[in-house]
Amino acid sequence: DAGVIQSPRHEVTEMGQEVTLRCKPISGHNSLFWYRQTMMRGLELLIYFNNNVPIDDSGMPEDRFSAKMPNASFSTLKIQPSEPRDSAVYFCASTHSRQGPETQYFGPGTRLLVL
Amino acid sequence: AQSVTQPDIHITVSEGASLELRCNYSYGATPYLFWYVQSPGQGLQLLLKYFSGDTLVQGIKGFEAEFKRSQSSFNLRKPSVHWSDAAEYFCAVGYSGGGADGLTFGKGTHLIIQP
Repeated sequence: DAGVIQSPRHEVTEMGQEVTLRCKPISGHNSLFWYRQTMMRGLELLIYFNNNVPIDDSGMPEDRFSAKMPNASFSTLKIQPSEPRDSAVYFCASTHSRQGPETQYFGPGTRLLVL
Repeated sequence: AQSVTQPDIHITVSEGASLELRCNYSYGATPYLFWYVQSPGQGLQLLLKYFSGDTLVQGIKGFEAEFKRSQSSFNLRKPSVHWSDAAEYFCAVGYSGGGADGLTFGKGTHLIIQP
């Protein structure tokens, strides 16, 4: 089975440009998470969705960040306008939400560099 | 708020030697705990998890971890490391409530294997 798919794997852009990161969760999973990894702050949860509905976006750093999940098999994380401090690795993870804890499965990440 | 502490930023171990990576968590309710491994430029791979039951859990690649509630710890161990174990290791904690919630990660421990 395919795991979590993220695209692009690498993105280099200039400050002020719009960046869109994409994620396809594992088929059958109904919860999706976006994390950001930086040297300074480590791995941080940005936002997560249950059944395509955003549940907690308190980790989204600024209004420049937005995330959508239009259907069960696709999500986007958009940064507009991008800034150099947004440079990081962005991970998407998915799981099947039931009563009780579940394991999150991570994608390979998108490495973003904003010049 | 929940938090995870990995007190060792770097650990160097000789190949064939035993390994213990420390993880302490702070959380009021019953936690569920994970160890993930990240190789350079890669995503996060689940090593093992603790949800309930036996406090000694076995994972992949010969790793094990022991949940000690009295010490709020979930240390990762391996009796004999291999050069391929060199990577970044992350401890994470989640809620024990229903559904899927975002994970809180430690800052990671970078494992170096000496020949």
